[in-house]
Amino acid sequence: GAVVSQHPSRVICKSGTSVKIECRSLDFQATTMFWYRQFPKQSLMLMATSNEGSKATYEQGVEKDKFLINHASLTLSTLTVTSAHPEDSSFYICSAGRGADGYTFGSGTRLTVV
Amino acid sequence: RKEVEQDPGPFNVPEGATVAFNCTYSNSASQSFFWYRQDCRKEPKLLMSVYSSGNEDGRFTAQLNRASQYISLLIRDSKLSDSATYLCVVNPVPSGSARQLTFGSGTQLTVLP
Repeated sequence: GAVVSQHPSRVICKSGTSVKIECRSLDFQATTMFWYRQFPKQSLMLMATSNEGSKATYEQGVEKDKFLINHASLTLSTLTVTSAHPEDSSFYICSAGRGADGYTFGSGTRLTVV
Repeated sequence: RKEVEQDPGPFNVPEGATVAFNCTYSNSASQSFFWYRQDCRKEPKLLMSVYSSGNEDGRFTAQLNRASQYISLLIRDSKLSDSATYLCVVNPVPSGSARQLTFGSGTQLTVLP
């Protein structure tokens, strides 16, 4: 089945630093990938839609200059959390749609900012 | 009003019990519906799609009522391994289109021995 690889699975960083999260579709091409954030005991909230070769579309309330998204190829999208702060600590998950086959999620990245 | 609403639970049921989860959605134009399962600190995984005619997969039965904008999931003969959070998920465009999913907040199920 479709596999989406997300890396790293867990990261701890100091406040003020930047963290890059990668999401790769391993056996299919994904022109669109989605980035979600999930706080404890809450549902997944869409942050942005990543489009290959063009600018990402951000949801209302998500700062595009803070959460930089790059989708340079059909198999890779990256999310960079810039100048991270403790309130950015969360579970970040990417997903890619495969049309009628549904959606596949990466395994998620647990970010802790100290 | 939230786009997708679920009872957060928790539902604590004994092994072997039958348990039902409900979900309502606000966008009447929604066209694809799913139930996902999410284990603690893991990514969501597709449990089953939901069709107007209803569909069954082993111990799991999903129903969709478009008129009431209501989706249900029934789990029969609960197993310990069914313990998880169940997410009701709606896609407002036809299946096959690249579009973001809208997630309910999830219903937590714990099956007790």
